[in-house]
Amino acid sequence: NAGVTQTPKFRILKIGQSMTLQCTQDMNHNYMYWYRQDPGMGLKLIYYSVGAGITDKGEVPNGYNVSRSTTEDFPLRLELAAPSQTSVYFCASSTDRSGSSYEQYFGPGTRLTVT
Amino acid sequence: QKEVEQNSGPLSVPEGAIASLNCTYSDRGSQSFFWYRQYSGKSPELIMSIYSNGDKEDGRFTAQLNKASQYVSLLIRDSQPSDSATYLCAVKREYNFNKFYFGSGTKLNVKP
Repeated sequence: NAGVTQTPKFRILKIGQSMTLQCTQDMNHNYMYWYRQDPGMGLKLIYYSVGAGITDKGEVPNGYNVSRSTTEDFPLRLELAAPSQTSVYFCASSTDRSGSSYEQYFGPGTRLTVT
Repeated sequence: QKEVEQNSGPLSVPEGAIASLNCTYSDRGSQSFFWYRQYSGKSPELIMSIYSNGDKEDGRFTAQLNKASQYVSLLIRDSQPSDSATYLCAVKREYNFNKFYFGSGTKLNVKP
């Protein structure tokens, strides 16, 4: 199993540009999450999904959009990039199956700079 | 009040000592608790999970949970320089669609 994969690893955007961060998991997890981590800070939840077709906002959703058309994929869309969106973005997944530990598995992250 | 609070550190301990990392949480509905280790520039990796009051040991790591005091801690015995990292505390509320709340992390430095 590859676990959770993210692309790209690094990206530099100009102010006002748009892009999609890709996230794929091969563990058949229902729950998927997008976090951002600013330097020296913890993880802040942007959006999450409890299954295909179902998404909801986290703590910091402004400026982002998500979709979940399949169990495996959970892309994050940035529209009109702003310098405040410079951060490291982590995708994660977890299971909701009874008897499991519900732990989250993280992807390697995407380092985004907006200038 | 933050959902999850941790001392940012850095916490410096000599090699071979016990490192003690602490975390408090605000919501009594929290049921599951996790410690993640994050090396600089890397993604968080789970090292311990704990779900009931008391201690849980795994190798050199011991997680301690006190729900009455809303307090969870991580002890690292025989600390090694390779344990130098930021440790993130996370809590999960059972009634809130598996949402996790993370603290800002405690930076641990283990000096040889």
